[in-house]
Amino acid sequence: KNQVEQSPQSLIILEGKNCTLQCNYTVSPFSNLRWYKQDTGRGPVSLTIMTFSENTKSNGRYTATLDADTKQSSLHITASQLSDSASYICVVSRFGDDKIIFGKGTRLHILP
Amino acid sequence: DTGVSQDPRHKITKRGQNVTFRCDPISEHNRLYWYRQTLGQGPEFLTYFQNEAQLEKSRLLSDRFSAERPKGSFSTLEIQRTEQGDSAMYLCASSLLQTNEKLFFGSGTQLSVL
Repeated sequence: KNQVEQSPQSLIILEGKNCTLQCNYTVSPFSNLRWYKQDTGRGPVSLTIMTFSENTKSNGRYTATLDADTKQSSLHITASQLSDSASYICVVSRFGDDKIIFGKGTRLHILP
Repeated sequence: DTGVSQDPRHKITKRGQNVTFRCDPISEHNRLYWYRQTLGQGPEFLTYFQNEAQLEKSRLLSDRFSAERPKGSFSTLEIQRTEQGDSAMYLCASSLLQTNEKLFFGSGTQLSVL
């Protein structure tokens, strides 16, 4: 079954600390994996995209990794800021029919 | 603003009423998607269009839901005889048909059915 599972469901950290969010998927055949950031009351915005051959991709303080063999991805946030408080959604696209499968997201709270 | 725009941002309605939402995608984008999102959940796929053709509809889309994209530009999503369970954020996204396409989302329409 084509699924995307994210953990933890929610996370609270202090401003300035680092954190890592996890995404496991069973989508097959795999095309690409995106991490989206969704602020409260807004639509999701793409942070990174990774294809099968890519292991890591950075976007400022956000670094995504992908292990296509174990079907796992992580999103690492360095030196967190209050503006990082949001939901982070892992999205996997299936090769062939372009079907897009969303995870439920990790709700991140940054405390001052 | 050249992003995806949705109207209205919020809609409060009584159970049994009909509601219609509008989405204006990024002008050159040929794909348009509708999603529904409830609190604490990721977006759930409802339907998508390629130009004016509706190519896929989710089983979540009951016969009370209908979507159109008559000229391949803006789209409308109508819900007839609304139920309390329809309360959710309705998100529209658009993209260019290409490899590794990125979805650009609007800010959504928050529907509350009383």
